[in-house]
Amino acid sequence: AQSVTQLDSQVPVFEEAPVELRCNYSSSVSVYLFWYVQYPNQGLQLLLKYLSGSTLVKGINGFEAEFNKSQTSFHLRKPSVHISDTAEYFCAVSLLNDYKLSFGAGTTVTVRA
Amino acid sequence: GAGVSQSPSNKVTEKGKDVELRCDPISGHTALYWYRQSLGQGLEFLIYFQGNSAPDKSGLPSDRFSAERTGGSVSTLTIQRTQQEDSAVYLCASNRDRNTEAFFGQGTRLTVV
Repeated sequence: AQSVTQLDSQVPVFEEAPVELRCNYSSSVSVYLFWYVQYPNQGLQLLLKYLSGSTLVKGINGFEAEFNKSQTSFHLRKPSVHISDTAEYFCAVSLLNDYKLSFGAGTTVTVRA
Repeated sequence: GAGVSQSPSNKVTEKGKDVELRCDPISGHTALYWYRQSLGQGLEFLIYFQGNSAPDKSGLPSDRFSAERTGGSVSTLTIQRTQQEDSAVYLCASNRDRNTEAFFGQGTRLTVV
């Protein structure tokens, strides 16, 4: 079975500073990788996904993530955050051609002026 | 509709009562999923529908939980004899097929008192 570990539960950051959210996964087979964002009292929105190809994936709102197979990581980055990026971020994996998402515990990002 | 719609958005119920949670997926999406988001357990998969069939019910936590889908569209998650540990946000998601992006609803926040 696959599992996901998000290494930071809370990340405070100042506006316009960079942010990195760390995600590691374990799986004996190849997986698809996802980052979702959840704004307060809202559902999950897909930020980006890695299915195959280039290991650097660009998503919405200026976010990007890099897949590192040797380190089994899929860290999320943004070079300059805004107050509106305050939210909870979830890393998720699914097996190839599977439908179920396995989620990490989430990272709460709080952006301060 | 434009997105996945869930109702009610909030539900407070007394312990021991039955509750029904409704999900309207995006039109044309054949795959539908229920997830549960709780403080202690994070985001957990509950059940997957393909059309009106549920080939995977492995995440349902007990026989008090059941779900159905009719007309390949609306799904209802029913929890019988609710317990306090059932308090959580119940999220519904749908996609055109299981290999495409899943879109999430805003969730139903269930509080059992």
